[in-house]
Amino acid sequence: EADIYQTPRYLVIGTGKKITLECSQTMGHDKMYWYQQDPGMELHLIHYSYGVNSTEKGDLSSESTVSRIRTEHFPLTLESARPSHTSQYLCASSESRKGDEQFFGPGTRLTVL
Amino acid sequence: KNQVEQSPQSLIILEGKNCTLQCNYTVSPFSNLRWYKQDTGRGPVSLTIMTFSENTKSNGRYTATLDADTKQSSLHITASQLSDSASYICVANDRGSTLGRLYFGRGTQLTVWP
Repeated sequence: EADIYQTPRYLVIGTGKKITLECSQTMGHDKMYWYQQDPGMELHLIHYSYGVNSTEKGDLSSESTVSRIRTEHFPLTLESARPSHTSQYLCASSESRKGDEQFFGPGTRLTVL
Repeated sequence: KNQVEQSPQSLIILEGKNCTLQCNYTVSPFSNLRWYKQDTGRGPVSLTIMTFSENTKSNGRYTATLDADTKQSSLHITASQLSDSASYICVANDRGSTLGRLYFGRGTQLTVWP
């Protein structure tokens, strides 16, 4: 089982709140990713990082922001949550020197009321 | 446009039966194809990874095939178990970028009944 963790697993909040979704991996992987997934739909890449102090936007436009201050930590922040942000958020990591196989965390199910 | 399509969208089978899931992709340039299993409310877990030069790969009761010429892949599950109930996602990886971008299908939702 992959050593990648996400907290919280479930979050229900009101509109306008600021939230941070946590993601940590203990595998020393250089690359990390955030995906958004709606029920029955494919995963969409919203952010990725090649390494410390590197962050890039993915294919799907997102109002969230990310940071990579430490190799093992890749938090995602929403400054002002809206109902349209309701979704499942999946974090993943991979190692460039090992074929970039991505290992996924358990996900955070976010509901914005 | 790079994309991955899977069929069927959903499938119900009885415990102990075999089944085959299909995947068509148009990702180019193509690097490898992966099958993931995603349990409800969990993150995807890798089952198999095949490069364009591989035709088949097995992982226990899971056997994946790849035809790079027709851009088709299949996942065969043998002697299904209740724990096989999950979404099975086909993912194609391009080699046109340093990121190694992944293109995800929408998955086949498999339900195994006792």
